Amino acid sequence: EAQVTQNPRYLITVTGKKLTVTCSQNMNHEYMSWYRQDPGLGLRQIYYSMNVEVTDKGDVPEGYKVSRKEKRNFPLILESPSPNQTSLYFCASSLRESDGTQYFGPGTRLLVL
Amino acid sequence: GNSVTQMEGPVTLSEEAFLTINCTYTATGYPSLFWYVQYPGEGLQLLLKATKADDKGSNKGFEATYRKETTSFHLEKGSVQVSDSAVYFCALSDRYNFNKFYFGSGTKLNVKP
Repeated sequence: EAQVTQNPRYLITVTGKKLTVTCSQNMNHEYMSWYRQDPGLGLRQIYYSMNVEVTDKGDVPEGYKVSRKEKRNFPLILESPSPNQTSLYFCASSLRESDGTQYFGPGTRLLVL
Repeated sequence: GNSVTQMEGPVTLSEEAFLTINCTYTATGYPSLFWYVQYPGEGLQLLLKATKADDKGSNKGFEATYRKETTSFHLEKGSVQVSDSAVYFCALSDRYNFNKFYFGSGTKLNVKP
């Protein structure tokens, strides 16, 4: 089944404790992206990747890191999480950057205490 | 800069009623426009898209027309069903940088039997 998977689905952590949210797609998509969803703000793009080893900032990259060492994986790293990073996070992928049709993962709900 | 503005929700309708969810955008150049739908507890799914002015996107009875003169992409459906209850997001991708996406804040639709 073609899908985007994220782990964990739910995470409670404390301020400053490094964490990684994994994202994997099995569709051989070139383009992957991370978003955060907050009430009243919709989805905001954090980082995106056009292909292996090629990443760039979205609108809200502060406090986040990403890497794209393999085509299928695009982990999101919070090196020192803060309470304002409490949010619902979505990973998405599409066949190519100009396609526009993104496939979203199920989301990761993060609470930073 | 780029931005998307959607009508505030929630929108509550009776089954078989006509639906309009307004979406207007601000963008440099002529972006591609999208409607995504999010069912409870799930990630977003592409509902329809339009890539140039006057294009009409359609899917599952939903339609939206890309109106360059009014910078709008309103979502319509002639007869809603209870199963259409979800959150609807209008989005655009930058014409000069397809990698960057901008989402509206989302409109929750509740359809009552």
